[in-house]
Amino acid sequence: GQQLNQSPQSMFIQEGEDVSMNCTSSSIFNTWLWYKQDPGEGPVLLIALYKAGELTSNGRLTAQFGITRKDSFLNISASIPSDVGIYFCAGQLMTGTASKLTFGTGTRLQVTL
Amino acid sequence: DTGVSQDPRHKITKRGQNVTFRCDPISEHNRLYWYRQTLGQGPEFLTYFQNEAQLEKSRLLSDRFSAERPKGSFSTLEIQRTEQGDSAMYLCASSLEGTRDFEQFFGPGTRLTVL
Repeated sequence: GQQLNQSPQSMFIQEGEDVSMNCTSSSIFNTWLWYKQDPGEGPVLLIALYKAGELTSNGRLTAQFGITRKDSFLNISASIPSDVGIYFCAGQLMTGTASKLTFGTGTRLQVTL
Repeated sequence: DTGVSQDPRHKITKRGQNVTFRCDPISEHNRLYWYRQTLGQGPEFLTYFQNEAQLEKSRLLSDRFSAERPKGSFSTLEIQRTEQGDSAMYLCASSLEGTRDFEQFFGPGTRLTVL
């Protein structure tokens, strides 16, 4: 079953605002990834993190791999309407099988004009 | 389009029927994964292939499920004697073995509805 907890579960923000969401686990992860999923589509990879403490940006998105290896954060700056969607964190467990990803339950983002 | 493709995008079937889905990965990717996603949840791992070898199967993959990747390129996922609980989005992903092989790229999914 799922081992990653995401918060918040959903959020409504106004266009132009910054957004923060996080993902936590009781287990240690080797790798963290963030995906965005639109309704009826597959997840799209946004950012991949490979080292504890790593901070990586992709345009208006910034993600960090927590020092404890048990959490990760995603920030979106100056949100726009196309940021609407569900954001999933995913990771590869340190004790898990190579390549298998465990996903969180998602954060639903809605942006109002 | 050089992304992951899946066919069909939607499938409606009656309980007890067999269904088969196809996935074509990104051409140079040698790893291929199947996940299942139910409403309101994140994707859950089902199985994965490295080239034509199936290297891991989840406990979620009951005996009614079988996946193949005969030539190390496209893959099929078959569900026999479908049940209503099989209704879900079935996602395929691919990656390239190497230092960044956890970067899995997903297809658009096949949404299965079992009546």
